[in-house]
Amino acid sequence: EAGVAQSPRYKIIEKRQSVAFWCNPISGHATLYWYQQILGQGPKLLIQFQNNGVVDDSQLPKDRFSAERLKGVDSTLKIQPAKLEDSAVYLCASSLRLGASGANVLTFGAGSRLTVL
Amino acid sequence: KQEVTQIPAALSVPEGENLVLNCSFTDSAIYNLQWFRQDPGKGLTSLLLIQSSQREQTSGRLNASLDKSSGRSTLYIAASQPGDSATYLCAVPNNAGNMLTFGGGTRLMVKP
Repeated sequence: EAGVAQSPRYKIIEKRQSVAFWCNPISGHATLYWYQQILGQGPKLLIQFQNNGVVDDSQLPKDRFSAERLKGVDSTLKIQPAKLEDSAVYLCASSLRLGASGANVLTFGAGSRLTVL
Repeated sequence: KQEVTQIPAALSVPEGENLVLNCSFTDSAIYNLQWFRQDPGKGLTSLLLIQSSQREQTSGRLNASLDKSSGRSTLYIAASQPGDSATYLCAVPNNAGNMLTFGGGTRLMVKP
């Protein structure tokens, strides 16, 4: 099966500019996640979707970050305006459904690396 | 709030050595614990998932153990190879199972 697709792979912008990242999950996966991974740290969940609804966005900086999954398939994460501290890799992941069962493993995309100058 | 810590942050070993990576978590009420591998510029690949009722899982040269009561897991890599060089991350889900909390990772380099 095809994996989780993300684009662009790399993006360099200046602070206060805007940027958008796109993710296409594995076909049939109802749950989609966006994680932020700052260099040298583990990934941190930003937002989680179940189909086209938001399950958890408690760690999303809503003053500058937004995300949508309008048709319950692919998703877009936007940052506007970007700050220096937003420099990170943005990872998208998907799973069949919610829940922590052994069969419900997350599959990650390769990530989108953002550099804010 | 669950906190996950990995020690050491970086490790460099000669090829052929057996090694142990450590992961500790503060809330022992977990469903499972997962170990991931991350190569530079790549996403995360799941290596092993241990259910809370299990004490260990094995896959090839990898063996992961879980001690819920002490809040610890170890990843044992036997006969390390240069191809094992990567960052290894452990993660646990929250009670609802909808959010993974990751450790900071251990960056492993195996020298030929």
